[in-house]
Amino acid sequence: GENVEQHPSTLSVQEGDSAVIKCTYSDSASNYFPWYKQELGKRPQLIIDIRSNVGEKKDQRIAVTLNKTAKHFSLHITETQPEDSAVYFCAASRGILTGGGNKLTFGTGTQLKVEL
Amino acid sequence: SQTIHQWPATLVQPVGSPLSLECTVEGTSNPNLYWYRQAAGRGLQLLFYSVGIGQISSEVPQNLSASRPQDRQFILSSKKLLLSDSGFYLCAWRQGANTGELFFGEGSRLTVL
Repeated sequence: GENVEQHPSTLSVQEGDSAVIKCTYSDSASNYFPWYKQELGKRPQLIIDIRSNVGEKKDQRIAVTLNKTAKHFSLHITETQPEDSAVYFCAASRGILTGGGNKLTFGTGTQLKVEL
Repeated sequence: SQTIHQWPATLVQPVGSPLSLECTVEGTSNPNLYWYRQAAGRGLQLLFYSVGIGQISSEVPQNLSASRPQDRQFILSSKKLLLSDSGFYLCAWRQGANTGELFFGEGSRLTVL
């Protein structure tokens, strides 16, 4: 099955700096890679995703890059703000047509703290 | 619009007691349904998923079971809880095959004493 590793487990940055979180996956058939943000006491919510037919995707201060050859993908947050403080999860899945059963396998999470 | 609800929100149970967590989805049909557990280390571990009524796939051997008696209802159960079953349980749904966002319920915090 799929195995997703995520680093670092904790990350502290100064407000305004950039933050980068990295993930690797094991299943070469995975083709969908979302990122979720979980604020304290709340449910995880999707912030950005990327499919295997593109290498990069941006949404305002957030960007995700994908290297299919190396089987790794990264989340980049620029101009960090205190409200970016949360736990971030990467995930990977493959579709039903590739025998994946539509499962989403998550990384272990990164606690991001943006300090004033 | 689609909504997902799970309950109870918090639960304190003695070791050896039974468990039933319920999840329902509204505003959609034939969703894919999931149960995740989030332990103290923050990771989201997939426990069960279902692509249709009565179809349950288990991801890890454990003391828990799941059932899907109706299209939009997903239940997580245990006959006898263990201390290690403590955690934050999240129900989630997703539409279609690899089409995108997974929507989570509010979560159920289970403490086994």
